[in-house]
Amino acid sequence: AQKITQTQPGMFVQEKEAVTLDCTYDTSDPSYGLFWYKQPSSGEMIFLIYQGSYDQQNATEGRYSLNFQKARKSANLVISASQLGDSAMYFCAMRGYNAGKSTFGDGTTLTVKP
Amino acid sequence: SAVISQKPSRDICQRGTSLTIQCQVDSQVTMMFWYRQQPGQSLTLIATANQGSEATYESGFVIDKFPISRPNLTFSTLTVSNMSPEDSSIYLCSVVSRGLYEQYFGPGTRLTVT
Repeated sequence: AQKITQTQPGMFVQEKEAVTLDCTYDTSDPSYGLFWYKQPSSGEMIFLIYQGSYDQQNATEGRYSLNFQKARKSANLVISASQLGDSAMYFCAMRGYNAGKSTFGDGTTLTVKP
Repeated sequence: SAVISQKPSRDICQRGTSLTIQCQVDSQVTMMFWYRQQPGQSLTLIATANQGSEATYESGFVIDKFPISRPNLTFSTLTVSNMSPEDSSIYLCSVVSRGLYEQYFGPGTRLTVT
């Protein structure tokens, strides 16, 4: 069974500062992928970043980076230079390579203050 | 990435009626899923839509309430039957593309049952 834990129901950050959203996971799959999604108030789920369990380097996509610590089973999302448009719900998710379905965390609501 | 469209984008329905949601993908995909997201909560997987055969439902979801069709690799429908106010949610179609690992979501259908 897979489990994703996001311990921060809500986070605040000042515009232009960096913020880290926490995610820990548990799985018995030897190979898996970790994902982060952004869900603004409109409701759509926007794919942000992906990290494979065997990837040596931490994934980066523009202002988003994933701080992957396999031994600690953590996959924290770092957003640099926060913008007002980053205010949204953020979900961490994982899927085993041999599994079809993903497991999602409960989400973190990020509010960027001007 | 796959481009996913859903129709309708939102609807207000009376209890006891049914609504069919359509999901169209711009490319052939290996897997299609239907999720429900109740207000303020995370995503819950309803079922995996299987091409040409019955969908695979998660615990707590049954075919009589949520019949699903997937006649080909790019199209699926989800019907919410005999609706009650508890069915008020965002319903999301999601896909995994052939040869890729990322999972993408449609824009969602916001359903309100009165």
